[in-house]
Amino acid sequence: QKEVEQDPGPLSVPEGAIVSLNCTYSNSAFQYFMWYRQYSRKGPELLMYTYSSGNKEDGRFTAQVDKSSKYISLFIRDSQPSDSATYLCAMSDTGGFKTIFGAGTRLFVKA
Amino acid sequence: DTEVTQTPKHLVMGMTNKKSLKCEQHMGHRAMYWYKQKAKKPPELMFVYSYEKLSINESVPSRFSPECPNSSLLNLHLHALQPEDSALYLCASSRGKSSYNEQFFGPGTRLTVL
Repeated sequence: QKEVEQDPGPLSVPEGAIVSLNCTYSNSAFQYFMWYRQYSRKGPELLMYTYSSGNKEDGRFTAQVDKSSKYISLFIRDSQPSDSATYLCAMSDTGGFKTIFGAGTRLFVKA
Repeated sequence: DTEVTQTPKHLVMGMTNKKSLKCEQHMGHRAMYWYKQKAKKPPELMFVYSYEKLSINESVPSRFSPECPNSSLLNLHLHALQPEDSALYLCASSRGKSSYNEQFFGPGTRLTVL
């Protein structure tokens, strides 16, 4: 079993839809949870950074962490064609150095 | 300055060549990282420097040699690479103590080994 599981997709949605992206994990020591967006042939861009459980909102993006279920989500409201990218979840424990990435979900938002 | 820069953007090299990748940040970050990313795969950690000292080497072959000349610069020296080393090489940085996991990535160097 991988430490972090993420459905690679692809996920195709119409413009304006609400997108839900998810990851599950097995290591209860994970405390920091991140979402990165990566456009084709570019470096990952940090979208959301959360510590422990709870919700965090930034514009059209909402990150949720449920440590009891070992489940994290990223919601994108009013999705745009420019949101088409690969979304990587990532997490680490309090030691910090090593970040474990999910496989990434490829998202396509159709105009 | 809030970005990580990497040069060159693209690199093509033969198996007998020696080349170097360069990474620079001026955010005052004290941890810097090298990752390797193959197509449609997540980044794989190669090396971590914390306060200019090598803290993690993820059993990377010796044909990859990292160097951290100062807190703003990170190099990756390449020698006698194999075609399977072709990948996107990503540099990242983070603030350091209490904030290693909030990492900011550069655009990457796309390496092709012939």
